[in-house]
Order: sequence, then C-alpha cells, then structure tokens
Amino acid sequence: EPEVTQTPSHQVTQMGQEVILRCVPISNHLYFYWYRQILGQKVEFLVSFYNNEISEKSEIFDDQFSVERPDGSNFTLKIRSTKLEDSAMYFCASRDHFGTANYGYTFGSGTRLTVV
Amino acid sequence: LAKTTQPISMDSYEGQEVNITCSHNNIATNDYITWYQQFPSQGPRFIIQGYKTKVTNEVASLFIPADRKSSTLSLPRVSLSDTAVYYCLVGPPPNAGNNRKLIWGLGTSLAVNP
Repeated sequence: EPEVTQTPSHQVTQMGQEVILRCVPISNHLYFYWYRQILGQKVEFLVSFYNNEISEKSEIFDDQFSVERPDGSNFTLKIRSTKLEDSAMYFCASRDHFGTANYGYTFGSGTRLTVV
Repeated sequence: LAKTTQPISMDSYEGQEVNITCSHNNIATNDYITWYQQFPSQGPRFIIQGYKTKVTNEVASLFIPADRKSSTLSLPRVSLSDTAVYYCLVGPPPNAGNNRKLIWGLGTSLAVNP
C-alpha cells in the first residue's frame, strides 16, 4: 500500500531556530496538507496545497510558516523562528482528485517537534 | 463543515463487537461520513467512508440511517490492537475537486481489555 513518508520522525530544536519538516506524498496525489496535533489535543488543520500554491491556511499558519514543493516529490513545512508552543506532532497528508480507492486522505506517521 | 459529536471514551473486551455512534445533525446533502483510527504517536489512518445505508469492508461496518444525522462505526470482535482513538468526520465527497480541509473533534478513545 502506498505511503506518505515524513522525516525526521523526531526533531529537537532551540527556540528561535528554523526547522524544515519534510514529506514525500504518494506519487500520483494532487492535494497536500499539513496538520498538527499538540499532545492530548485535537488534530488541527494548518495548510492545504494544490497546483503549486496554497489553497487554504488556518490562523495558526502565520508568517512564520511556509510550505514548498521544490522538486515535484517533496513537500516541506518550514517554521522560520520556532516558539515553545510550536511543539507538537506534525502530520503531512495527501489525496488524489478522485479520493483514491479507499476514498480517504493518506497521512504520514508524523514528525514530533520539540522546541526547547 | 458539519460538527460531529462522539463519546469521549469507551471500554470493551477482546472478542466483543464495538459500536461507536457519532452525531452530525447539520450534515449537508452532499457530505460523506468518514472514520479514521489513530494510534499514539502515529498519523490518522482511514477506516471507512459512506454516504447512506450500510458500508462494509474488511475491518469495519458503517451504518447510516435514512436521515443521516448520525452514523455508527461497528468493529467486529475487537482485539487489544484495536485500542486507539476513533474519529468521525463529515465532509465533501471523495471526488470533490475543491481542496477541503478536515475538521477534527476529540474522537472516541477506545480501550480494549484482555
């Protein structure tokens, strides 16, 4: 079964540092997403991406956040200057136009970001 | 996007059937109902999706009454490995070309005991 791959699985960074979280979506998928989940809380939408541009972003996705699909396979989330409250699991997801055989989004295993 | 309401937690035993009900009173005509499973420190995993009546796959069944204001995820003969959080989401159909986000609730934390 095709997978969404995320790296690294765990990243520790100092407050104020820049981090880049990487994702390789399923190859024939067209829509890409970043979600995050603070420990014990809901999964929260950050941003959706289609046709090489942001389709929608949440209030969380402020000027410190950016996304890129630099080479047609990777999909990255950059946080320019991390804050303690950015500590969370970050999930990448993708889906194709017709929702795939199982109709759903496919999520990666996540990157646990710890800001110290 | 329609809001969903689920029980916060449920307990069960190995071998039992588990039914988790979700309320979505404001579901729109074109909305589909989708259930995801999430293990600790892992990404959500698609379980099943439906529009009306009954859908069954190799892991679960989904029952949707005629008014579609609720749905029930049925897990037959659960095992310890089914201990997870189960989320009910309501949103656009699978072939929606628009790029809709998923709105998540807190889900139902299912504990399967030996």
